[in-house]
Amino acid sequence: KAGVTQTPRYLIKTRGQQVTLSCSPISGHRSVSWYQQTPGQGLQFLFEYFSETQRNKGNFPGRFSGRQFSNSRSEMNVSTLELGDSALYLCASSPRTQPNTEAFFGQGTRLTVV
Amino acid sequence: AQSVTQPDIHITVSEGASLELRCNYSYGATPYLFWYVQSPGQGLQLLLKYFSGDTLVQGIKGFEAEFKRSQSSFNLRKPSVHWSDAAEYFCAVGASTGGFKTIFGAGTRLFVKA
Repeated sequence: KAGVTQTPRYLIKTRGQQVTLSCSPISGHRSVSWYQQTPGQGLQFLFEYFSETQRNKGNFPGRFSGRQFSNSRSEMNVSTLELGDSALYLCASSPRTQPNTEAFFGQGTRLTVV
Repeated sequence: AQSVTQPDIHITVSEGASLELRCNYSYGATPYLFWYVQSPGQGLQLLLKYFSGDTLVQGIKGFEAEFKRSQSSFNLRKPSVHWSDAAEYFCAVGASTGGFKTIFGAGTRLFVKA
């Protein structure tokens, strides 16, 4: 069974631009969560989607948005990029949206904002 | 509010020595606890999880963890560390707050001396 696939693996963007990251979950998984990982803040929860609906959202500005498609694939978008948005963005999929369900992580997208 | 504390930012152990990584959680209800490992440039991989029952849980790669409700702890242990165990380790709690999210600790980076 294929794992969680995130594309692209690496991105370099300029301040003020926008970026879209993609995540394909494990087949059959309907829950997709996004996390931002930085050396200073660690792993921070961005949002979770289940069956195309955002079920939970972290404490991030409105520049961060996401969506999920009917095939469970998900995208996250960051508009008006800032230097502080440089991070590893991790996507995780789960078969259910319950707290006792483990998350399966992709390898992440490394975003660098210059 | 739910939170996870990993008091050690980094730990260095000699190859073959025993290892214990500390984790304390704060959660009002029955906690769903996880340990994940992250190798450099990679996503997170689940080592083990605890939901209920036996408080000593076994995981992959020879790791185990013990849940102690009285101490709100879920420490990770390994009797003999291998050089390939060098990585960052994250303790996490599964939370249900109108949706589902995993709350991670700040992580403990493990260095292994030859």
